[in-house]
Amino acid sequence: GENVEQHPSTLSVQEGDSAVIKCTYSDSASNYFPWYKQELGKGPQLIIDIRSNVGEKKDQRIAVTLNKTAKHFSLHITETQPEDSAVYFCAADSSYKLIFGSGTRLLVRP
Amino acid sequence: GAVVSQHPSWVICKSGTSVKIECRSLDFQATTMFWYRQFPKQSLMLMATSNEGSKATYEQGVEKDKFLINHASLTLSTLTVTSAHPEDSSFYICSARDPTHGSGETQYFGPGTRLLVL
Repeated sequence: GENVEQHPSTLSVQEGDSAVIKCTYSDSASNYFPWYKQELGKGPQLIIDIRSNVGEKKDQRIAVTLNKTAKHFSLHITETQPEDSAVYFCAADSSYKLIFGSGTRLLVRP
Repeated sequence: GAVVSQHPSWVICKSGTSVKIECRSLDFQATTMFWYRQFPKQSLMLMATSNEGSKATYEQGVEKDKFLINHASLTLSTLTVTSAHPEDSSFYICSARDPTHGSGETQYFGPGTRLLVL
């Protein structure tokens, strides 16, 4: 089955700097890769997603890149703000089920 | 759009009792809903896939007789934790797939239900 690995587990950046979170997946049949942001005590919130027919997608300060050959995808957050502090999860779709990475705790220092 | 609600947001119960959690898609019809469990500082673990009008599909290791799932309508799925024990204490989160978004894989999550079994 699908396996998703996510790195780093924790990331601390200065406000205004960029943050990058990387994920790898194992199932070459996966073709949908969402990213979720989870704040403490809340459910995950979809922030961006990408499908395998696209190499990159951007939405304001957030971008995701996908390398299907290498089976990895990354989340890029530019101009980070304190409110970006949260846990971020990547996921890969496997037969319409989402397999999640282990999460990255992002801390943006003011 | 694509709002999913859960009720209750938190519940405390005694060991041996049953607890029902509701998951609703508020502005779209969800033929498929999912139930996840999340322990502190861990990732989301899929428990079961719930399809409207049919039996739920449980992931390996999840007891179907303990975690009863009903998906009676296109906007409502319920999870009942039967004979709850302290080890069932966790954060339970549902999601609903919006078939009108993209190719239909997009899942929107509810706010979660924190269960504490004493």
